[in-house]
Amino acid sequence: DTAVSQTPKYLVTQMGNDKSIKCEQNLGHDTMYWYKQDSKKFLKIMFSYNNKELIINETVPNRFSPKSPDKAHLNLHINSLELGDSAVYFCASSRLAGRTDTQYFGPGTRLTVL
Amino acid sequence: DAKTTQPPSMDCAEGRAANLPCNHSTISGNEYVYWYRQIHSQGPQYIIHGLKNNETNEMASLIITEDRKSSTLILPHATLRDTAVYYCIVRGNTGNQFYFGTGTSLTVIP
Repeated sequence: DTAVSQTPKYLVTQMGNDKSIKCEQNLGHDTMYWYKQDSKKFLKIMFSYNNKELIINETVPNRFSPKSPDKAHLNLHINSLELGDSAVYFCASSRLAGRTDTQYFGPGTRLTVL
Repeated sequence: DAKTTQPPSMDCAEGRAANLPCNHSTISGNEYVYWYRQIHSQGPQYIIHGLKNNETNEMASLIITEDRKSSTLILPHATLRDTAVYYCIVRGNTGNQFYFGTGTSLTVIP
């Protein structure tokens, strides 16, 4: 009964490929997020969706495209993977897109681009 | 968004209280202070948050100074499982994103 789950946990792929990471939350939350944690351990937000609508899009290359088929899912599709995309990607969710709402994180997906 | 400053690393003896400081001198009046931790290779885990008053839950206590320019996270009886990077975050006021800094790497020593 994992609250926020991600698949796969590890992803190794070649440069130039297209890959997707899936995220699901069973908390009934309205808002979901994608974060990227690089090799220096900086954790930075990429996207936020509230009720399937994009509300935050930080400076992220358009090779990254989030897709939210419903409130419980927010998938991340990455085209033409580059070496610099290697990182750990975390999905998170919160009840409301509000200032004080707690975010719950998934276990992460470690992406390695060769 | 208010920025936070934390010491890069701290040690604590097992069974003792771990006191992790955080400075957030530019915090706005309606911004909350959140604490998360990240154990190696896992996703960040929520610990506690507060606005003005001190807060306590089953994991920790949060002490916020009266001027709100700093706070301290207290783990009352640190265990080896508390070894992690602890992030002090002030909630962004232009949206709902969290800005994670570099955090404090806490090592609990047997």
